[in-house]
Amino acid sequence: DAGVIQSPRHEVTEMGQEVTLRCKPISGHDYLFWYRQTMMRGLELLIYFNNNVPIDDSGMPEDRFSAKMPNASFSTLKIQPSEPRDSAVYFCASSFLGAGYTFGSGTRLTVV
Amino acid sequence: AQKITQTQPGMFVQEKEAVTLDCTYDTSDPSYGLFWYKQPSSGEMIFLIYQGSYDQQNATEGRYSLNFQKARKSANLVISASQLGDSAMYFCAMREYNNNDMRFGAGTRLTVKP
Repeated sequence: DAGVIQSPRHEVTEMGQEVTLRCKPISGHDYLFWYRQTMMRGLELLIYFNNNVPIDDSGMPEDRFSAKMPNASFSTLKIQPSEPRDSAVYFCASSFLGAGYTFGSGTRLTVV
Repeated sequence: AQKITQTQPGMFVQEKEAVTLDCTYDTSDPSYGLFWYKQPSSGEMIFLIYQGSYDQQNATEGRYSLNFQKARKSANLVISASQLGDSAMYFCAMREYNNNDMRFGAGTRLTVKP
């Protein structure tokens, strides 16, 4: 199993640009989570899906953030327009039922 | 709302000694799971150990063990025979099965000294 695959690994973009982060969960996992990690706020849950349906998006900071899961093998997190304070590491994780999460390698986003 | 507290921002331990990383939690859900993850400087999140709220025995995985004290709502991670490669950030996390999401503590940075 290839694990949870995130792309890109690093992204540098200018303020105001649209950014799309991608995630491929482990096959057979029915939960998918997006987290953001910063020094100031630690690991924050942004949104999670169960069977491709968004369950809780209360952690999404603003309307500039949106997430989709069009099928069981793909999810995106989009920021439009991006701002410097969005700079962080974004993790995707997946799990099966109530088991522990498997994390992707993360996307390090820098907005200049 | 669930809350995870790790009171030790940083810890030092001598190589080959044991170290305990503290974690307390707060929940009203009787059914939950407790997790520890390791994050080395390379950035990936590595699952270490899991304890279910109804488990009678403390979880163990190799050199890792979880000291689960349910009444005190604590889930401390014990690392025995520390190795230089254990230097990393360690995160305690809890998943309430009512909510199915996982929340993390602030983390403890462990440094193993040679």
